[in-house]
Amino acid sequence: DTEVTQTPKHLVMGMTNKKSLKCEQHMGHRAMYWYKQKAKKPPELMFVYSYEKLSINESVPSRFSPECPNSSLLNLHLHALQPEDSALYLCASSQGQADTQYFGPGTRLTVL
Amino acid sequence: AQSVTQPDIHITVSEGASLELRCNYSYGATPYLFWYVQSPGQGLQLLLKYFSGDTLVQGIKGFEAEFKRSQSSFNLRKPSVHWSDAAEYFCAVGARSGAGSYQLTFGKGTKLSVIP
Repeated sequence: DTEVTQTPKHLVMGMTNKKSLKCEQHMGHRAMYWYKQKAKKPPELMFVYSYEKLSINESVPSRFSPECPNSSLLNLHLHALQPEDSALYLCASSQGQADTQYFGPGTRLTVL
Repeated sequence: AQSVTQPDIHITVSEGASLELRCNYSYGATPYLFWYVQSPGQGLQLLLKYFSGDTLVQGIKGFEAEFKRSQSSFNLRKPSVHWSDAAEYFCAVGARSGAGSYQLTFGKGTKLSVIP
């Protein structure tokens, strides 16, 4: 089973709201990732967690705050977002950082 | 740093025709190579991967890809396209960046349209 689940599927939020995206995998993977994908573009890496520790932060604004409560869960906390943050947010996981990444279905975020 | 080029932004083929999507990479050593497919509004699904060994790799849905070191290419092929293959296809390279961390670098993608 190579399933990564993400909730919610769609999210609409105002610029003053606080919301969270959730990602879960039960494959025993120890690396988890957040990507941002704008329309007609490839995914862009935001954060990497390896063994529940943040290992890569690609200079993402502080209005995005990742959290890895345990090896199966990855959250992305959102606060004071801008309309340009509207995108598809993808979660992925892999056995280790240099292994094949498996992607979830994504959360479509719209910021009004 | 590694880079990936997918020269074709959009390809249209007739159902039943053969398909080849091109991918060229730039990296100092042999990278890990992947093809992913994405339907509109969906996540990325792994089609196939190359780490080492046999340079012709088989994937899901009847796809295959061939690694050619001399051409720095990893082209994706399918002998007979089905209407359900219409999607965006991304080639990706997994390699150590200049900072030493391992990352996936994606090409810009090729959109495949299929004519019934």
